Amino acid sequence: KQEVTQIPAALSVPEGENLVLNCSFTDSAIYNLQWFRQDPGKGLTSLLLIQSSQREQTSGRLNASLDKSSGRSTLYIAASQPGDSATYLCAVTPGANNLFFGTGTRLTVIP
Amino acid sequence: DAGITQSPRYKITETGRQVTLMCHQTWSHSYMFWYRQDLGHGLRLIYYSAAADITDKGEVPDGYVVSRSKTENFPLTLESATRSQTSVYFCASRDSRRRTEAFFGQGTRLTVV
Repeated sequence: KQEVTQIPAALSVPEGENLVLNCSFTDSAIYNLQWFRQDPGKGLTSLLLIQSSQREQTSGRLNASLDKSSGRSTLYIAASQPGDSATYLCAVTPGANNLFFGTGTRLTVIP
Repeated sequence: DAGITQSPRYKITETGRQVTLMCHQTWSHSYMFWYRQDLGHGLRLIYYSAAADITDKGEVPDGYVVSRSKTENFPLTLESATRSQTSVYFCASRDSRRRTEAFFGQGTRLTVV
């Protein structure tokens, strides 16, 4: 069974800092990996989708990388802002169409 | 409005009652999913559907029933609610191609008392 791990579970940084969130998965047979953002009491907002054939994907201040062979992905956030405070979730899509989620990293950006 | 919507957003029900959570999407996506989110467990798949009239169990299906008579709707029914089903429920959809993004609804917070 696919296991997805996100470390750390919580992260607190001062505004303006660059930061990296980590995601690891046990089975490298995936179609893609998706990063989501979840604000308290809200749904999941898709941030980036990175295909298994890609090494990275960028959107604004966000950059996601994927190393499928080692079962790792990182989400890089540049010049963090208080509005970036949220829980960040990664999810992989294996052979079936399901998504397997990590338990998330709760990010707090301190003004 | 385009997108995926869930209703109700909040629901309180009593143990033993039947309750149905609704999910509607406007993209005509083939795949739809129901997840529950609990502290310490993250998001776990309850049921999914590959198309109208095709459904399959996920990781935690016990106590739940789904149906999909129309592509755009995927209701989730708790036949006899239990306190352990208190959770936040999310519906999601994606295109039939596995390489596409999945989109999520805003969630339904269900409390069983």
